[in-house]
Amino acid sequence: SQKIEQNSEALNIQEGKTATLTCNYTNYSPAYLQWYRQDPGRGPVFLLLIRENEKEKRKERLKVTFDTTLKQSLFHITASQPADSATYLCALDGGNNRKLIWGLGTSLAVNP
Amino acid sequence: GAVVSQHPSWVICKSGTSVKIECRSLDFQATTMFWYRQFPKQSLMLMATSNEGSKATYEQGVEKDKFLINHASLTLSTLTVTSAHPEDSSFYICSAPQGAFTEAFFGQGTRLTVV
Repeated sequence: SQKIEQNSEALNIQEGKTATLTCNYTNYSPAYLQWYRQDPGRGPVFLLLIRENEKEKRKERLKVTFDTTLKQSLFHITASQPADSATYLCALDGGNNRKLIWGLGTSLAVNP
Repeated sequence: GAVVSQHPSWVICKSGTSVKIECRSLDFQATTMFWYRQFPKQSLMLMATSNEGSKATYEQGVEKDKFLINHASLTLSTLTVTSAHPEDSSFYICSAPQGAFTEAFFGQGTRLTVV
């Protein structure tokens, strides 16, 4: 069955540095991959979607890469700010039924 | 982006009672909505797929008679937790995709506490 893994440990970085989060998957070839942000007690908020034929996607300070050979996506936040502190979830498309397969999430703390 | 509104944001109920959670798509029509449950420090666990005009599709291990889903219109899906027990206490979240290959929009979530 499909398996998706994210950095299991919380990531602590200093303000201004670049945060890099990892999402690895096995036994699957998703057509696209998505990244979401979730704050405590809130629903996830969509950040970026990258398709299988795209290597990289950017949005303001965010960058996502998608390596279908390594079966890995990297999520970068440049010039990080304390307001970026949250849990970041990786999700793969579940096929044409529009279900998503979710990772456990990585908690990011940006220290001032 | 599109807006999905979920209500209530939190609810406390007595064991044995039923609780209804509403999920509305405010500015688009959603033929499909998804209901998730999330325990502390855990990822989203899909419970069921709500289909407008037809029966919901439940994931393995989810009791359909306990978690009643109704998708009566293109903008509203409801999840009713029947005969709630303390182990049903969790964070319930709905989502609606606008189409294939697009992002999902989530409600604010409902914190259910059964005492």
